[in-house]
Amino acid sequence: NAGVTQTPKFQVLKTGQSMTLQCAQDMNHEYMSWYRQDPGMGLRLIHYSVGAGITDQGEVPNGYNVSRSTTEDFPLRLLSAAPSQTSVYFCASSHPTSGAGETQYFGPGTRLLVL
Amino acid sequence: AQSVSQHNHHVILSEAASLELGCNYSYGGTVNLFWYVQYPGQHLQLLLKYFSGDPLVKGIKGFEAEFIKSKFSFNLRKPSVQWSDTAEYFCAVNMDSNYQLIWGAGTKLIIKP
Repeated sequence: NAGVTQTPKFQVLKTGQSMTLQCAQDMNHEYMSWYRQDPGMGLRLIHYSVGAGITDQGEVPNGYNVSRSTTEDFPLRLLSAAPSQTSVYFCASSHPTSGAGETQYFGPGTRLLVL
Repeated sequence: AQSVSQHNHHVILSEAASLELGCNYSYGGTVNLFWYVQYPGQHLQLLLKYFSGDPLVKGIKGFEAEFIKSKFSFNLRKPSVQWSDTAEYFCAVNMDSNYQLIWGAGTKLIIKP
């Protein structure tokens, strides 16, 4: 199993540009989530999904969109990039037998710089 | 709002020293508690977790953590650290089995050989 994969690993954007961060998992996990990690702030939840066709907002959803058309894929879209979105983005997945209270499996992260 | 606090942002220890990293949360209901670790250049991975039962839980690589409900704490311990324990450690709390994890800010641990 590849586990959770993310692409790209690094990206530089100009303010106002849009892009999609890709996330895929091959463990048949129903729960998938996107976090951003900023220095001194730990991980903050952006959006999550409990299954195909079902998504919901996390703590910091503004400026991001998600969709979940398949169990495997959970892309994160930046609609109009801003410097405040410079961060490291992590995708994670788990079996949601008790909400987010299961072990989460993380991807390697995407480092995004917005100029 | 619910929050998770990790007391130390940076900890530097010598090999064979004992380790205790603090984690406190602000929530009075049912919690699931986690410690995750990120070794340099690697993915975040689970170190240990508490759901119910014995409040002293053991994880990988000799780590353990104790859930003290009255203190809203879930401190991570290791009796004798190794250079390979150099990593960033995160405490995370799931409250009332909802769909969100609340994370602490992380503690960067450096072990001097």
